[in-house]
Amino acid sequence: EVQLVESGGGLVQPGRSLKLSCAASGFTFSDYNMAWVRQAPKKGLEWVATISYDGSSTYYRDSVKGRFTISRDNAKSTLYLQMDSLRSEDTATYYCARSLRVSDYWGQGVMVTVSS
Amino acid sequence: DIQMTQSPSSMSVSLGDTVTITCRASQDVGIYVNWFQQKPGKSPRRMIYRATNLADGVPSRFSGSRSGSDYSLTISSLESEDVADYHCLQYDEYPRTFGGGTKLELK
Repeated sequence: EVQLVESGGGLVQPGRSLKLSCAASGFTFSDYNMAWVRQAPKKGLEWVATISYDGSSTYYRDSVKGRFTISRDNAKSTLYLQMDSLRSEDTATYYCARSLRVSDYWGQGVMVTVSS
Repeated sequence: DIQMTQSPSSMSVSLGDTVTITCRASQDVGIYVNWFQQKPGKSPRRMIYRATNLADGVPSRFSGSRSGSDYSLTISSLESEDVADYHCLQYDEYPRTFGGGTKLELK
């Protein structure tokens, strides 16, 4: 059974950092691109970043470029999102997803609240 | 960036209705559109992939279609379990972009 389990969320002050993890199981992690998608409270879905299956390519939305870093450890079947210089507008539930091209599996989401 | 303009943003529906939700792409995205259903407090669930393909386990009352730059999700004979939010996604180009979402509510 495919599972994606996010962790690492919480309450953080503006300007501080947080690192999210997404532990994958039930499939060959290294075969798939992976993505982070977020959803602010009562808002729509917003793509954040994608990493290629081997980690060689990364893509970001403009509003997080230079502040967020997506990475992966294929040996551990884990996806990461390092979030630095957090802003109030980054407050959202963050989902990891297996390849948005396929979009077939999503994690349960983890809440990140940026507030003083 | 490619804009996905989704309409309507909300819709009041009755059980048994046929419901159509549309996303208009601001430029050509080919067949690279997926549709998702999302219920409160839950993760998105893929319903349609590559514009017209029904995802595994999705009831046949759901269908996807394309007419030019307009992509539609149709629910025939709406059931209570279909009351949810729906989102479209284009994945032809980066940045990936979602429509603004459609909220179905029962009359």
